[in-house]
Amino acid sequence: DTAVSQTPKYLVTQMGNDKSIKCEQNLGHDTMYWYKQDSKKFLKIMFSYNNKELIINETVPNRFSPKSPDKAHLNLHINSLELGDSAVYFCASSQGGAGANEKLFFGSGTQLSVL
Amino acid sequence: DAKTTQPPSMDCAEGRAANLPCNHSTISGNEYVYWYRQIHSQGPQYIIHGLKNNETNEMASLIITEDRKSSTLILPHATLRDTAVYYCIVRATGKLIFGQGTTLQVKP
Repeated sequence: DTAVSQTPKYLVTQMGNDKSIKCEQNLGHDTMYWYKQDSKKFLKIMFSYNNKELIINETVPNRFSPKSPDKAHLNLHINSLELGDSAVYFCASSQGGAGANEKLFFGSGTQLSVL
Repeated sequence: DAKTTQPPSMDCAEGRAANLPCNHSTISGNEYVYWYRQIHSQGPQYIIHGLKNNETNEMASLIITEDRKSSTLILPHATLRDTAVYYCIVRATGKLIFGQGTTLQVKP
């Protein structure tokens, strides 16, 4: 079983569309994250949820809205997609805390291409 | 938040030890040093972490200097599959911040 799974793996869409990326973890972790990796390969944190509660919200356009229906799921909805949204989006989870509890487990990524 | 400095790239011969340095001169006393790697097109993978003492696991060893201002990740016998970008991260305020990392190229 995949520890952190995200779907879809590839997403190609037109500008202005609305799309969602789903993420699920079966590790029993309390904390989940969304990271964005752009074409220059910089990996930047976007959001973090702990037990369904938003705890980190970096400077991200409000077109991006994370939703956590339960602590095993963290979905990312993007409205009015723009060319600059093209990137690979990674979901991750951790137990939360410090030391060993801060180990992040990443999904395999969703490559979003906005045309 | 403590920042890290890593060389942008390194080469290593297959079968030899790969020693990846990281400078974190502004690290605070309660901050851990984490190492992750990202193999092309995959999600980052946790390697090892440490606070003060040297650490070893099945993947690598982590050597932290006594003043904690720098560390070295050691892959004892590098293989071609170890070619990846290696990130040294100092944990700060609840989020792990990834820098540019070191691209390690293992050559036959």
